Formats: sequence, C-alpha cells, structure tokens
Amino acid sequence: DTGVSQDPRHKITKRGQNVTFRCDPISEHNRLYWYRQTLGQGPEFLTYFQNEAQLEKSRLLSDRFSAERPKGSFSTLEIQRTEQGDSAMYLCASSFYRGLHNEQFFGPGTRLTVL
Amino acid sequence: AQKVTQAQTEISVVEKEDVTLDCVYETRDTTYYLFWYKQPPSGELVFLIRRNSFDEQNEISGRYSWNFQKSTSSFNFTITASQVVDSAVYFCALLSRSGYALNFGKGTSLLVTP
Repeated sequence: DTGVSQDPRHKITKRGQNVTFRCDPISEHNRLYWYRQTLGQGPEFLTYFQNEAQLEKSRLLSDRFSAERPKGSFSTLEIQRTEQGDSAMYLCASSFYRGLHNEQFFGPGTRLTVL
Repeated sequence: AQKVTQAQTEISVVEKEDVTLDCVYETRDTTYYLFWYKQPPSGELVFLIRRNSFDEQNEISGRYSWNFQKSTSSFNFTITASQVVDSAVYFCALLSRSGYALNFGKGTSLLVTP
C-alpha cells in the first residue's frame, strides 16, 4: 500500500501566476484534507472532502483558492493570482472515516515559493 | 474553542538522554482525540500515536511512551535513550468527535547530538 503522494514537491512561481497541486490519497481512504504550513508553525486546516464532496473550507481559503476531488480519488488545489503570502508548504492528508475518527496520514507536501 | 499548546519551542539533548515533550490542550468536547506527529527535516509528517479521550491508559512503543492525563489536560511524549535520528519537529494535535480538522500546536524542535 503506497502512502499519500503529492506533486510537485517544489514549485517556484512569480507573483500573479496560477499554480495547481495534486494529491493522491491512500486508495481506500474516503476523506482527503488540505493543510498549509508556514515556517515555525503547525499545519493549518484549509479544506476537506468526503469522497467527492467538499464539506468544509477554512477562512484561510480565500476566493483565489479552489480545490476539487472530481471522482473521490485524487484532489487538486489551485491558487490563482499567487501572492508572496501564499509561500508555504501545502500538505495533503487522507483518512478513513466511518463514524469514528482515524488518524490522518500525510503526504510529503508541496513547497510553494512565490517570488 | 480548541487549542493545543506546546510550550517548549526547542529542546537540545545529548544522545542517550531521556526527553519529555509537553502538550497541553483545551477543548469543551467530552469526546476527542489526541495525536502526535513527527516531522523530520525531509518535511513529511509521520503519524506516531492516536489517543481517545475515554482511554486514559498510557502507552509504550519501544523507546516512545505517552502519558495522557485528563485531569491536567496533558498528553506528554517521552523518548527514552534518545538517538540522533529522533531529531525532528514534533507536533501534538487535537481533533474533536464532531470535528474534522486537526488542531496542531506550534511544535517542539528536538535536536539530539552525538
């Protein structure tokens, strides 16, 4: 069983450009989460999906951010018109949820640098 | 409101020393889950343990042990006979029964030197 994978691992972009990240969760997991982590801080929740439905979005997720999980498998996170403040590590996690919470397993993250 | 406090920002120990990482949490929920994750320099968060609020039994896994005390809202993590490979940032996190997102502390950076 492979773990959570994310692509790309690193992304450098210029301010104003759009970027898209991909996350492939553990195959039997029905929940998928996106978090953002800045230097010296713990990860902060952005959004999550149960199967293909996006059930919650954080206030951190401005209207420049959009996430999808079209078939309940992989997910994409797009940032439009990037700003320098978007520079962070974007982490994806997945878990299997059936009424009780199980641990979330994290991918290696995508490190975004906005110049 | 939920909050996790890891008061120790950085800890430095010499190999083979024991070290305890503190975690204090706040929640109004009666059912919740506590977690510890390790983040080595490579960046990937590695799950270490989950503890349910209704199970106060302490746990030991090799050199790792966890002490959960509901009375003091603490979930401390002890590494016995630390090794250089234990060097990482360790995060404590809280998730309520009715919630979905992990609430992380700011992490404790552990440096183990030879």
